[in-house]
Amino acid sequence: KAGVTQTPRYLIKTRGQQVTLSCSPISGHRSVSWYQQTPGQGLQFLFEYFSETQRNKGNFPGRFSGRQFSNSRSEMNVSTLELGDSALYLCASSLAWARGANVLTFGAGSRLTVL
Amino acid sequence: QQQVKQSPQSLIVQKGGISIINCAYENTAFDYFPWYQQFPGKGPALLIAIRPDVSEKKEGRFTISFNKSAKQFSLHIMDSQPGDSATYFCAAPLLTVTASKLTFGTGTRLQVTL
Repeated sequence: KAGVTQTPRYLIKTRGQQVTLSCSPISGHRSVSWYQQTPGQGLQFLFEYFSETQRNKGNFPGRFSGRQFSNSRSEMNVSTLELGDSALYLCASSLAWARGANVLTFGAGSRLTVL
Repeated sequence: QQQVKQSPQSLIVQKGGISIINCAYENTAFDYFPWYQQFPGKGPALLIAIRPDVSEKKEGRFTISFNKSAKQFSLHIMDSQPGDSATYFCAAPLLTVTASKLTFGTGTRLQVTL
C-alpha cells in the first residue's frame, strides 16, 4: 500500500514568490491535513480538508491556502513568500470516519527554503 | 489556543536505560492519543497510540501510560537503544468548533548513548 506522497521534496524560492505543494494521500483516506514544521515551533497545524471542504484551519495568515480535489489529492499554496515561511511542510492523511481515524500518516514533507 | 505541553525538550539516556517523555493536554475529543517518532530528513511516523478509555498500552519496548483525570500521558521506552535516537512527538485530539484536530507537543529530542 503506497504511503502519503508529497511533491516536490525540496524547493528554493525567493521572497515575494508563491509556491504550490502537492500531496497524494493513502488510497481510501479522505482527510488530508497540512502542518508546518520549524525547529522553534514544532508541528503547527495549517488546515484539514475532507471531501473537498476545509474542515479545520489553524492560525496562519491568508497567504496560506489549500484545496482538495475529488480524488482526495490536496494542494497547498503560499503566496508572497516571506523568509519566515522557510520550513518543512508536512501532509498527513487519515480515514476520518472511524474511531482512531485521527491517527495521521505523514508524508516525507516538502522542504521549502525562502531566500 | 489549546495546547499540548510536552517535556523534556531533550533527553540523553544511556543504552539500556529507560526514556520517559511526558505530555499534558486540555479538552479533547474521544479519540486516540498517538505518539510519533521522527528521524532527520523524514516525516513523523506513528509509533504507538492509545484509546482514552485505556490506562496503559504496551508494544514491545514502548509503553504509553494514560491518566485521564490528570489529563496527562507519557511514553516509556524500555531498554533504550542507539537506534531510538530521534525526535518524539505526542499528540492529542483537541476539540475545535467544527471537529477535533490532532495537536502536537513541541517534541523531545532523544539521544541514546553507548
